[in-house]
Amino acid sequence: GAGVSQTPSNKVTEKGKYVELRCDPISGHTALYWYRQSLGQGPEFLIYFQGTGAADDSGLPNDRFFAVRPEGSVSTLKIQRTERGDSAVYLCASSFLAGDNEQFFGPGTRLTVL
Amino acid sequence: AQSVTQLDSHVSVSEGTPVLLRCNYSSSYSPSLFWYVQHPNKGLQLLLKYTSAATLVKGINGFEAEFKKSETSFHLTKPSAHMSDAAEYFCVVSDRNDYKLSFGAGTTVTVRA
Repeated sequence: GAGVSQTPSNKVTEKGKYVELRCDPISGHTALYWYRQSLGQGPEFLIYFQGTGAADDSGLPNDRFFAVRPEGSVSTLKIQRTERGDSAVYLCASSFLAGDNEQFFGPGTRLTVL
Repeated sequence: AQSVTQLDSHVSVSEGTPVLLRCNYSSSYSPSLFWYVQHPNKGLQLLLKYTSAATLVKGINGFEAEFKKSETSFHLTKPSAHMSDAAEYFCVVSDRNDYKLSFGAGTTVTVRA
């Protein structure tokens, strides 16, 4: 079956612009996670969804970052007033069980803020 | 709080020789430990996972890792490297019942023909 998919694969934007990054989890997976991977580092946790609600958004760096999952499937990560420091690969993962640490990752969206 | 230290940022091996990637962890509780591999432009793929069963864990593609509590280590090995093993490898820790994964900085593996 299909794995986790993310669109776009690459996004280039200018400082100050708004961007949306999309994640399609594996069908039937109840939980969804976003991570951010900066150059030369491992991924860092951003936010966890259980169903439609954000169960844990403690990893979001500031209030310019927001994520939604309105129907409990697809999720969108939204970044307002982008800054050059937001440039990174944004990874999405999903798991069958709620709050499971065995997570399946998508290929990521590479965001470049000029 | 948990954390992971990958002791080598880059490992270079010849094809057909053993691979050793070193990882030390810190965890407040009984940890779950993972190794993931990331090929260029591909998603992170789970190689193997340790929970609380056997300390020697076998994974995909001939990789295995040994959990050593006394040394707080979870080193990844493969007896014979293949060209397709060239990739970035991440050691990951989480508390047993926690969903937050803490990643190491990664080890880049290159394989020489």
